[in-house]
Amino acid sequence: GESVGLHLPTLSVQEGDNSIINCAYSNSASDYFIWYKQESGKGPQFIIDIRSNMDKRQGQRVTVLLNKTVKHLSLQIAATQPGDSAVYFCAENMMAGYSTLTFGKGTMLLVSP
Amino acid sequence: GAVVSQHPSWVICKSGTSVKIECRSLDFQATTMFWYRQFPKQSLMLMATSNEGSKATYEQGVEKDKFLINHASLTLSTLTVTSAHPEDSSFYICSASRGGSWTFGSGTRLTVV
Repeated sequence: GESVGLHLPTLSVQEGDNSIINCAYSNSASDYFIWYKQESGKGPQFIIDIRSNMDKRQGQRVTVLLNKTVKHLSLQIAATQPGDSAVYFCAENMMAGYSTLTFGKGTMLLVSP
Repeated sequence: GAVVSQHPSWVICKSGTSVKIECRSLDFQATTMFWYRQFPKQSLMLMATSNEGSKATYEQGVEKDKFLINHASLTLSTLTVTSAHPEDSSFYICSASRGGSWTFGSGTRLTVV
């Protein structure tokens, strides 16, 4: 289940389950979005991206869905594995002339064997 | 793929001293480099954006005289935390950008005692 800690929501799943991590982004002008995975004590690692002219993009075991109407992103991880345990962040960018990435609050995914 | 090296990975310093953190893009020239700060169980907060050869742009609330950024070349940016205090203890992460992609360093854990 999902719980909200002091700062970081946590999603706990069993190995083999599908996981869905959600993100609300802030800027309606953002047109490029990235999901990152961050393991403890490390920098963010790129997972998958999507541009605003798409509403779905699939990678290996991951799918990103974009709903611009409600400014919502989701990351779906199929057949979640213990190695997927990490904190997941969405990040948004306005491609027109801006190179700054703004990060969402993050969700900790805990996968138990 | 693009690799960003950040050094040191961790540092402990005494209150009042200064600490320098290096960020290098190893196999590409970065148009822009970014410095983020991350407290436990929180998201990455952008501190400053720097372009080679020009002054860094600091986010609101970030003291430019305390967090000195030098971007001497297209492959190297440094962040110096001056007169460090315990409240500066945090995880600092750099990112190098080129052509609409971002690569993150592995982070530096700074502990000020």
